[in-house]
Amino acid sequence: EDQVTQSPEALRLQEGESSSLNCSYTVSGLRGLFWYRQDPGKGPEFLFTLYSAGEEKEKERLKATLTKKESFLHITAPKPEDSATYLCAVQESGGSYIPTFGRGTSLIVHP
Amino acid sequence: KAGVTQTPRYLIKTRGQQVTLSCSPISGHRSVSWYQQTPGQGLQFLFEYFSETQRNKGNFPGRFSGRQFSNSRSEMNVSTLELGDSALYLCASSNLAGAPNEQFFGPGTRLTVL
Repeated sequence: EDQVTQSPEALRLQEGESSSLNCSYTVSGLRGLFWYRQDPGKGPEFLFTLYSAGEEKEKERLKATLTKKESFLHITAPKPEDSATYLCAVQESGGSYIPTFGRGTSLIVHP
Repeated sequence: KAGVTQTPRYLIKTRGQQVTLSCSPISGHRSVSWYQQTPGQGLQFLFEYFSETQRNKGNFPGRFSGRQFSNSRSEMNVSTLELGDSALYLCASSNLAGAPNEQFFGPGTRLTVL
């Protein structure tokens, strides 16, 4: 069973059509949850860290939220340049510092 | 400030061969982590080095090894290549060990095993 599950696997939006990506996790204790953006042919780029339920972080059209078992990445009025694969990762508390990644959501925003 | 560089960018090998990949971190960064990315498994942690010491190791066979030099540059070696080793290998550097939020990723090395 995957510790980190992202949904949907792929998402197509029209420019301006807001939506949310989901990242659910099953670790017993959370040290941190991380969101990344990955463009084709490039390595992931760090976006946000969330540490505790109720926490929110915002950056331009993106807002990340965290509950006890999942995180959402809300995209408001997306633009074509927001097209990318979005990855989330969790780091479990009390153990090694090895991050576990989800398989990502591929987002395409059509003009 | 120069980013993380990885060489080579593309590599084609045959089964049974070995391969060495190189990663030069951002100047001043002492931690280098390696990841394998495949369509089926996603991004998986291989190992992390900090100041020439392996700090963490993921769940990969012993064919995967690495090292870090005194200038923080790192190499990853895969021996006796298998078809399933075809993947994008990413390295990431940071100032701190065990801090995914502080990591800067390189563009990766695309390894194809025939």
